[in-house]
Amino acid sequence: AQTVTQSQPEMSVQEAETVTLSCTYDTSESNYYLFWYKQPPSRQMILVIRQEAYKQQNATENRFSVNFQKAAKSFSLKISDSQLGDTAMYFCAFMSAYSGAGSYQLTFGKGTKLSVIP
Amino acid sequence: ETGVTQSPTHLIKTRGQQVTLRCSSQSGHNTVSWYQQALGQGPQFIFQYYREEENGRGNFPPRFSGLQFPNYSSELNVNALELDDSALYLCASSRGREGRNTEAFFGQGTRLTVV
Repeated sequence: AQTVTQSQPEMSVQEAETVTLSCTYDTSESNYYLFWYKQPPSRQMILVIRQEAYKQQNATENRFSVNFQKAAKSFSLKISDSQLGDTAMYFCAFMSAYSGAGSYQLTFGKGTKLSVIP
Repeated sequence: ETGVTQSPTHLIKTRGQQVTLRCSSQSGHNTVSWYQQALGQGPQFIFQYYREEENGRGNFPPRFSGLQFPNYSSELNVNALELDDSALYLCASSRGREGRNTEAFFGQGTRLTVV
């Protein structure tokens, strides 16, 4: 079974500054996907960024980028130029690339509550 | 707007009762997954439906059951409600195996309170 650990329950950052959220995971699989999801007070999970484990290059999406260290099983999220709208819960999630029964199942960490301060 | 809609948005039930939650998947998506998110926790996988059949189940008892309909909408049923069932229930739809599209689109959830 896979596990995902987010060791920072809460973080805060000044508007326009940069913040990094940490995530580690444990798996015996070699091919998988990693995700960061954002959950604002509206409750809807929104995909922020995705990383495929077989790709060495770190994924980027505008102000969001990841530092994927496969050997260390580490997957951190960097948010640059933080904006007030980035205030939310952030969840790291794992998905196996296995295509059998139960595929496309997400395993989530407990989340990090990010507050962007004006 | 992601196109995944859940109903109702809030619900209060008494311990021992039964509840049905509903989810309409995004157009073109044939896979629906259900998650339970307790307060202060990350979502936990309940089960998944692919083309009307259960396609994987998490560590939840049999009193959690589901259905997927030919239009790929889905229901989550919970029997004999317990206080610990109080949580946010999230539905996520995806294209499933076709095209190996891994992106799951979530609805806004149903907040269930068991008293």
